[in-house]
Amino acid sequence: GDSVTQMEGPVTLSEEAFLTINCTYTATGYPSLFWYVQYPGEGLQLLLKATKADDKGSNKGFEATYRKETTSFHLEKGSVQVSDSAVYFCALNGNNRLAFGKGNQVVVIP
Amino acid sequence: GAGVSQSPSNKVTEKGKDVELRCDPISGHTALYWYRQSLGQGLEFLIYFQGNSAPDKSGLPSDRFSAERTGGSVSTLTIQRTQQEDSAVYLCASSSRQGRNTEAFFGQGTRLTVV
Repeated sequence: GDSVTQMEGPVTLSEEAFLTINCTYTATGYPSLFWYVQYPGEGLQLLLKATKADDKGSNKGFEATYRKETTSFHLEKGSVQVSDSAVYFCALNGNNRLAFGKGNQVVVIP
Repeated sequence: GAGVSQSPSNKVTEKGKDVELRCDPISGHTALYWYRQSLGQGLEFLIYFQGNSAPDKSGLPSDRFSAERTGGSVSTLTIQRTQQEDSAVYLCASSSRQGRNTEAFFGQGTRLTVV
């Protein structure tokens, strides 16, 4: 079945550092890919999405490119802020069901 | 309402009791999903509704779990004879239509603690 794999463990980095969170997927067909974010005490919300190969989703300085050849959708931000501290989930929708990765806690230190 | 609403926000129950969790989706949203989020785990898919029917209930972990949706709107997730391993945050999401491009909007979740 469809699945999403995120890199293990929390990510701790200093303000203004470069952030990368890896995401790879397994799916039949041509899924859409998403990054959701969960800020402390809040519900999940969509951060960005890409619906076909080579599409780049972007929002709030975050970017991710749909790479079909490597089945990846890595999330990047060039200069993180303390307010970016949250849990980030990669997800795919291939068959009317969102399949999520385990999430990565990101902690940005001032 | 403006967003997906779930109730209660917190529920503590004794092992062996039944619980009902409620989800009010965004008005007009035809698709509704239930997920479970356990500590240190990702989001585990439970069930998906399109209108009142559930074409995919493959994620329900046991026959103690059931869900229904009425009037194409409110959904209830019922857990019978709760066990400690049922403790988790139960999340509901809705979307305006089915289809792989569609964004799902999530509620704040119900934190269930079985003692």
